[in-house]
Amino acid sequence: DIQMTQSPSSLSASVGDRVTITCQASQDINDNLNWYQQKPGKAPNLLIYDASNLETGVPSRFSGSRSGTDFTFTISSLQPEDIATYYCQQYENLFTFGPGTKVDVK
Amino acid sequence: EVQLVESGGGLVQPGGSLRLSCAASGFTFSSYSMNWVRQAPGKGLEWVSYISSSGRSIYYADSVKGRFTISRDQAKNALYLQMNSLRAEDTAEYYCARDRSGSYYAKKAFDIWGRGTMVTVSS
Repeated sequence: DIQMTQSPSSLSASVGDRVTITCQASQDINDNLNWYQQKPGKAPNLLIYDASNLETGVPSRFSGSRSGTDFTFTISSLQPEDIATYYCQQYENLFTFGPGTKVDVK
Repeated sequence: EVQLVESGGGLVQPGGSLRLSCAASGFTFSSYSMNWVRQAPGKGLEWVSYISSSGRSIYYADSVKGRFTISRDQAKNALYLQMNSLRAEDTAEYYCARDRSGSYYAKKAFDIWGRGTMVTVSS
């Protein structure tokens, strides 16, 4: 089974800050990784697919990148509406979600 | 409008059964793979099961294998999850999610999600 770790588990940042979340796979998953945003009481929403591709309609302040088995999700300028939990998901072998990163605004 | 609507959740005793449904609309259901994903109260997301667009490829998480059965009815644009031998740890919000591809061997992403249906397993 492929395990996904995510860090940090939570963070608090100011509006306008650059926010970075990392996700690490237990083995090579190529670029088979997606990022989702889940706001409280809502279903998840796809933001980034295949490690670095922005889903249609998603603001350009969200981005993703890959370096080997390490993946980075970035919000270039945090907005109040970005308060949410963010999950990575691998699909190299079945599907595994990371444990999530809760983001709130100071 | 592209939409998924889950139903069938509720309170069930340990060892009991429940059948969840997911009604799809606004897209060609038979062209897409589908999934069930669950989320225990206050916890993260857990993938449960996958079915390809044709229904020929089916996969389960180890935690539900042998107890849950995924199926689809192309004529009714519906996805199902039959849950048997339910346990307290199956208590969760259950989401159906569309995979933008139709095949397990293609690039995958869950691009459309329903609002979820809550399953509570308790005596």
